[in-house]
Amino acid sequence: ETGVTQTPRHLVMGMTNKKSLKCEQHLGHNAMYWYKQSAKKPLELMFVYNFKEQTENNSVPSRFSPECPNSSHLFLHLHTLQPEDSALYLCASSVGIADTQYFGPGTRLTVL
Amino acid sequence: EDKVVQSPLSLVVHEGDTVTLNCSYEVTNFRSLLWYKQEKKAPTFLFMLTSSGIEKKSGRLSSILDKKELSSILNITATQTGDSAIYLCAVEPNNGGATNKLIFGTGTLLAVQP
Repeated sequence: ETGVTQTPRHLVMGMTNKKSLKCEQHLGHNAMYWYKQSAKKPLELMFVYNFKEQTENNSVPSRFSPECPNSSHLFLHLHTLQPEDSALYLCASSVGIADTQYFGPGTRLTVL
Repeated sequence: EDKVVQSPLSLVVHEGDTVTLNCSYEVTNFRSLLWYKQEKKAPTFLFMLTSSGIEKKSGRLSSILDKKELSSILNITATQTGDSAIYLCAVEPNNGGATNKLIFGTGTLLAVQP
């Protein structure tokens, strides 16, 4: 148990659905991240939040919408996704933006 | 373009063997290199390397950075089946204290057979 939890662990959705991924960290960290891991591709950074403020959007399509209501929680809202968005979505957190990142277990997303 | 390349892509060994995983990188301004172990889903942190030539050890795992060669190796001695995993290398560029952006390699898939 890394102290970073993600729900749900598995999600299957249609292209017209709206769903949200949730990440929660119990480590007292101030920075949180969303990553996408597709098959046979490196981990791709999507978003970075530092003290609830978004500091980076790595050219992510608008059908992915992050939300960080406080330093312990991070959401990824999904709508009108495409099949190629099927991937493992990993959340990570770190004490500060220059510190070691610790990952959650991930959400396996399948878009039909 | 910043990038991280790992080799081999996959490796099959028997218990007790010693393995060496390689990571090479190209980054505009280097800050640190990190190794993660990914089993099933979540990557777990192994090492962070910032200085060249200083070996970091944790049990049977060790790693060292060579800034001149822009590379790092991860050694695992006396491998066990529990070492089977994807080993990820990531590099953090130094962008003046701004966002911590890790650039990951595709990983090395290690399978340790009994």
